[in-house]
Amino acid sequence: QKEVEQNSGPLSVPEGAIASLNCTYSDRGSQSFFWYRQYSGKSPELIMSIYSNGDKEDGRFTAQLNKASQYVSLLIRDSQPSDSATYLCAVRDSSASKIIFGSGTRLSIRP
Amino acid sequence: GAVVSQHPSWVICKSGTSVKIECRSLDFQATTMFWYRQFPKQSLMLMATSNEGSKATYEQGVEKDKFLINHASLTLSTLTVTSAHPEDSSFYICSAHPGGVGELFFGEGSRLTVL
Repeated sequence: QKEVEQNSGPLSVPEGAIASLNCTYSDRGSQSFFWYRQYSGKSPELIMSIYSNGDKEDGRFTAQLNKASQYVSLLIRDSQPSDSATYLCAVRDSSASKIIFGSGTRLSIRP
Repeated sequence: GAVVSQHPSWVICKSGTSVKIECRSLDFQATTMFWYRQFPKQSLMLMATSNEGSKATYEQGVEKDKFLINHASLTLSTLTVTSAHPEDSSFYICSAHPGGVGELFFGEGSRLTVL
């Protein structure tokens, strides 16, 4: 059973601080990794995608991938109250046929 | 990013009736679309993979006769919940990707309430 694991949280971070979200996956052959943000009652929206080891930065967001450790993370700098949401880690499996989602980490940014 | 549209956004129906949800890719062709279900405070659960021109692939535990999927064109997939019961009440979300190994784009979701 291919799995994607996330800490469910809630993770509480003060406004302006860095929020760090972590994810591990079991399928060593996975090649594509994604972070989605989901507000309550809404469908997920793509935040970041990463395909190779290292860091990828986009504005206040940085995705980090370590395939050897089967670990992917998302850093949010200068956290804003609007960042409060559930963040879903997603991994395309080695067969490339489907994307598997973690259970999500609920992030709360406190003013 | 690519646009996926889902309709209706919410629907209320009586127990025993059938409900159809449409998923359209507006600016790309999608040979494959995915249907997810999400219960409150839970993660997305993949129900089935919709394949254009062929039968859908259902995940283990999902009743194919209850959740009928049709993918008749490269831009439209439909999910029909047949003989709906209150336990089918959930948030149903479709998704698609333009191809290759890129990211999924999600529709707005359809909230189904079965009375």
